[in-house]
Amino acid sequence: DGGITQSPKYLFRKEGQNVTLSCEQNLNHDAMYWYRQDPGQGLRLIYYSQIVNDFQKGDIAEGYSVSREKKESFPLTVTSAQKNPTAFYLCASHGQGANVLTFGAGSRLTVL
Amino acid sequence: SQQGEEDPQALSIQEGENATMNCSYKTSINNLQWYRQNSGRGLVHLILIRSNEREKHSGRLRVTLDTSKKSSSLLITASRAADTASYFCATLGGRGSTLGRLYFGRGTQLTVWP
Repeated sequence: DGGITQSPKYLFRKEGQNVTLSCEQNLNHDAMYWYRQDPGQGLRLIYYSQIVNDFQKGDIAEGYSVSREKKESFPLTVTSAQKNPTAFYLCASHGQGANVLTFGAGSRLTVL
Repeated sequence: SQQGEEDPQALSIQEGENATMNCSYKTSINNLQWYRQNSGRGLVHLILIRSNEREKHSGRLRVTLDTSKKSSSLLITASRAADTASYFCATLGGRGSTLGRLYFGRGTQLTVWP
């Protein structure tokens, strides 16, 4: 079945450590996105990529980094520069001409 | 901010009743979408309504859009316990906007009691 796979589902990190969240899709979608969700909040866009080897900052990119070396993969690194990284992270994608997003199941990051 | 805002923040009803959630936004839009999120899971797209449409149906879902009031409503008829979830509206800006730059509201938490 086609879809988006995020891993790990749960991740714990000590302050000062970088962590990388994986997002893989087999939908042949060109565009991929990372959103952050905090309790009781809407989703906020971190980074997005509309084509391989290209990506743009979203609304809250500080403290995060991404790469898009393959169409299927869009990993997100939460760096130590991110002051409040504890959150639920969602990866999404859409194909050409599509008007809706397909989401992964999310990764919950907790900083100890 | 273009962010949509849902109302109410929480809604609790009995099975069989109808559930109505509202969404207001601030700027012109290309389309407005509703998504559902089960606890701790990703979002699932429910329905999209374009700026030139006023009403749309999908199964037990009915969405209306009033661009003059910058508002939308989602009606779930004959609710079931399985409808318990958070519901988010998301707006896509006007001409030339990047699709993934949807602006999400904070959501309405719907609880349907058996």
